[in-house]
Amino acid sequence: SQTIHQWPATLVQPVGSPLSLECTVEGTSNPNLYWYRQAAGRGLQLLFYSVGIGQISSEVPQNLSASRPQDRQFILSSKKLLLSDSGFYLCAWSWTGGTNEQYFGPGTRLTVT
Amino acid sequence: AQRVTQPEKLLSVFKGAPVELKCNYSYSGSPELFWYVQYSRQRLQLLLRHISRESIKGFTADLNKGETSFHLKKPFAQEEDSAMYYCALSGYSGSARQLTFGSGTQLTVLP
Repeated sequence: SQTIHQWPATLVQPVGSPLSLECTVEGTSNPNLYWYRQAAGRGLQLLFYSVGIGQISSEVPQNLSASRPQDRQFILSSKKLLLSDSGFYLCAWSWTGGTNEQYFGPGTRLTVT
Repeated sequence: AQRVTQPEKLLSVFKGAPVELKCNYSYSGSPELFWYVQYSRQRLQLLLRHISRESIKGFTADLNKGETSFHLKKPFAQEEDSAMYYCALSGYSGSARQLTFGSGTQLTVLP
């Protein structure tokens, strides 16, 4: 079966510090991968998605970037965090082709102080 | 552009009462719709998909293309149904398929 992992679960970082959140998927090959930000009362905002290694599409211009160095690894990064980057970040995967149902990781709660 | 609207941020019902969570969508193509649920301190998980026409945990949802709606219904709510519910639409943005989520409805089932 497939599983998706995210770490860390929680993170407190000062403004201006770098960020690296990691997401890995097990049990499948060549998945589509996604990063979302979940805000209270605003639903899920798609930040980045990837259909393959090194292929990243950005949905919202911002202070963040994403990379996919390996087939089942997806990384969310920032060189310098802003206060507004605080939030709950979710990673998700879906099959290539077929239906577009997505499967979510446990999330990372990021607090920028 | 695709859009999903969940008009109710909060919804409270009593145990045993019927519940309906509203979802309307906007999409020019043939939509693929889902309901996701997030229970307290658990990860977001798929509840049901419209193409399956299934009933999960007593919940059903029918796609109404005329009204562009995909409301989630359950005839008799249970306390364990209390959770955040998200409606989601899968469609193409350019050449890529994307999932667009509504803003969610927090359902509380009162004893």
